[in-house]
Amino acid sequence: QVQLQESGPGLVRPSQTLSLTCTVSGDSISSDDYYWSWIRQPPGKGLEWIGYIYFRGSTYYNPSLKSRVTISVDTSKNQFSLKLTSVTAADTAVYYCARWDCTNGSCYFSYWGQGTLVTVSS
Amino acid sequence: DIVLTQSPVTLSLSPGERATLSCRASQSVRNYLAWYQQKPGQAPRLLIYGASNRATGIPARFSGSGSGTDFTLTISSLEPEDFAVYYCQHRSNWPPCSFGQGTKLEIK
Repeated sequence: QVQLQESGPGLVRPSQTLSLTCTVSGDSISSDDYYWSWIRQPPGKGLEWIGYIYFRGSTYYNPSLKSRVTISVDTSKNQFSLKLTSVTAADTAVYYCARWDCTNGSCYFSYWGQGTLVTVSS
Repeated sequence: DIVLTQSPVTLSLSPGERATLSCRASQSVRNYLAWYQQKPGQAPRLLIYGASNRATGIPARFSGSGSGTDFTLTISSLEPEDFAVYYCQHRSNWPPCSFGQGTKLEIK
């Protein structure tokens, strides 16, 4: 069974860098079939796609966050990571990692981590 | 960018009733639409992909329909565990992904 688990600090100071890691089990992050994604959800609000990465290293970011986001992959650890620089209170959210599948042209998030709340505050 | 608009924002129904949730795209997304259910404190769960395909383990009371710009998620007879927030999500060339703002399905 595929499982994803986010880890990282729950509190980040304003202007600092948010760093999270997603550990994948039950599947190989080196599979040709999937992309690995980050999504966030501010408290009480909707879902925002942040970006995703293919195991060979190609990345795609939400244009609204692109200047501050880096997603990387470590195939030896079956993990992928998120870095978001220059954070403000607006970046406070639950951060999810998820697997991005595509079938006949339709793409969707088939497996999700439980999410981790990151608060930006001094 | 393609914008997904979900309606209604809130839907109040009783168990056993039929629920109809709408998702409208600002331009055609073909059948590249998925639906998710999210309960408080939980991650979203995939219900429907490709507009009408149920994901693994999803009960038959959930069905999706539509193509182009207008899509519907139908729950044929509401169970108590179905009261949650529902999101639609599309895939396009660029940006590759966005979500609707959600519909809250609450108990009447």
